[in-house]
Amino acid sequence: EIVLTQSPGTLSLSPGERATLSCRASQSVSSSYLAWYQQKPGQAPRLLIYGASSRATGIPDRFSGSGSGTDFTLTIRRLEPEDFAVYYCHQYGSSPLTFGGGTKVEIK
Amino acid sequence: QVQLVQSGSELKMPGASVKVSCKASGYTFTRNAINWVRQAPGQGLEWMGWITTNTGNPTYAQGFTGRFVFSLDTSVSTAYLQISSLKAEDTAVYYCARDAPGPDYFDYWGQGTLVTVSS
Repeated sequence: EIVLTQSPGTLSLSPGERATLSCRASQSVSSSYLAWYQQKPGQAPRLLIYGASSRATGIPDRFSGSGSGTDFTLTIRRLEPEDFAVYYCHQYGSSPLTFGGGTKVEIK
Repeated sequence: QVQLVQSGSELKMPGASVKVSCKASGYTFTRNAINWVRQAPGQGLEWMGWITTNTGNPTYAQGFTGRFVFSLDTSVSTAYLQISSLKAEDTAVYYCARDAPGPDYFDYWGQGTLVTVSS
């Protein structure tokens, strides 16, 4: 099983700042099958990024994903008030599919 | 537009069973597998497994065998999750999520169903 470790656990930032979230895999994620989701309180997760760097439909270009192998990054270029949420990485390259523990981006 | 609409919250006694539904619309139901994901209170996301909607073949992740059953009714474009012999630790929000075409990331999610197990 591929274990995904997200860091930091919590990121305290102000609107307009840049957020950098890390996701490290215990073994290589095949074909960069790595996705990122955003979850707000009381809501379902929403797909942001798939294939490590492809934005899902309707996702603003301030969100970007990068990385390969075992190290992946989600960057939010300039935080908007609606971006404060929990973010999860997810590998779908090998079974069982697994999620990281999440990074909470909170308002400083 | 693609939508997955789940059934409402449930309060169950320990030992009872529950069946959660996930009704799909806006696409051809049998073209995309449906996954189930659990989120315990205040916790992260845990993949439970998936069911292929063209053949009805389920795959269960470790820890979700025995008491958990995935099923379909393709005539009404609906997937089901049934949990039997409920325990307090089954208390969670259960999500259905559609497999994207091709690789298995989840492009659309249901709104979630809270199952509370308490005496």
